[in-house]
Amino acid sequence: ILNVEQSPQSLHVQEGDSTNFTCSFPSSNFYALHWYRWETAKSPEALFVMTLNGDEKKKGRISATLNTKEGYSYLYIKGSQPEDSATYLCAFDNYGQNFVFGPGTRLSVLP
Amino acid sequence: DSGVTQTPKHLITATGQRVTLRCSPRSGDLSVYWYQQSLDQGLQFLIQYYNGEERAKGNILERFSAQQFPDLHSELNLSSLELGDSALYFCASSETSRGSEAFFGQGTRLTVV
Repeated sequence: ILNVEQSPQSLHVQEGDSTNFTCSFPSSNFYALHWYRWETAKSPEALFVMTLNGDEKKKGRISATLNTKEGYSYLYIKGSQPEDSATYLCAFDNYGQNFVFGPGTRLSVLP
Repeated sequence: DSGVTQTPKHLITATGQRVTLRCSPRSGDLSVYWYQQSLDQGLQFLIQYYNGEERAKGNILERFSAQQFPDLHSELNLSSLELGDSALYFCASSETSRGSEAFFGQGTRLTVV
C-alpha cells in the first residue's frame, strides 16, 4: 500500500505570515508529484506538477520544491492572505500507474 | 470554470440501483480521471482513461465500471449501490496520459438512501 503523508494536518497563520508544509511519499517508482489547492465547496485546482529531483516551481506567492531521492516536497506560501485559506493536497503518481493523494493540509489565514 | 463538465450535479437513488455519471473533458484533453471522496475521507483515485483506453486503475470496486467514448467524454457506472457508495465523485481531465496538470469538474454528489 502506497502511503502519502502530509504535515501538518492543519495550520492557522496570521495574514502576512509566510508558511510551508510537507508532503512525504515513497521514493521508489516515482513519476510525478502533483499539488492541488482545494477550497471548501469547490473542486481541486492544480498548482504544480513536479517530475524532476530538485525541481522548484513558482506561481505568484506560492512555490514548491521536490526531493525524489528522499521522498518529500515542500509547498511554501509567502505573505499569506485570507484567500489562501484552503486545503492543500499532494498526489503521488508512480510507475505503477496509480495516483495516491495525501490527506491534505488545511490552511486558515486569519485577517 | 475549469472547462470540465460533470452531470448530474446531484443524484439521489436507492440501494441496489444503478446510476451513470457523465464527464465531458476540457477541449483537447485526452485523459479523463475519476475520483471518489467519501465522507471524512480524502480523494481516492478510481480509474483513468486516455484516448479511449483504460490507462490506470486505482481502488475501483468491481461494481463500478467506466468507459471513454470516441468523442472523449467518459461515463462512470455504479451498480448494486450501497449506502457506503454515497460520496462526491469528481472527474478530471488533462492533455496527456501522465505528468500534466489535471483540471477538475465540479463533481457529482451521489446520495444512496
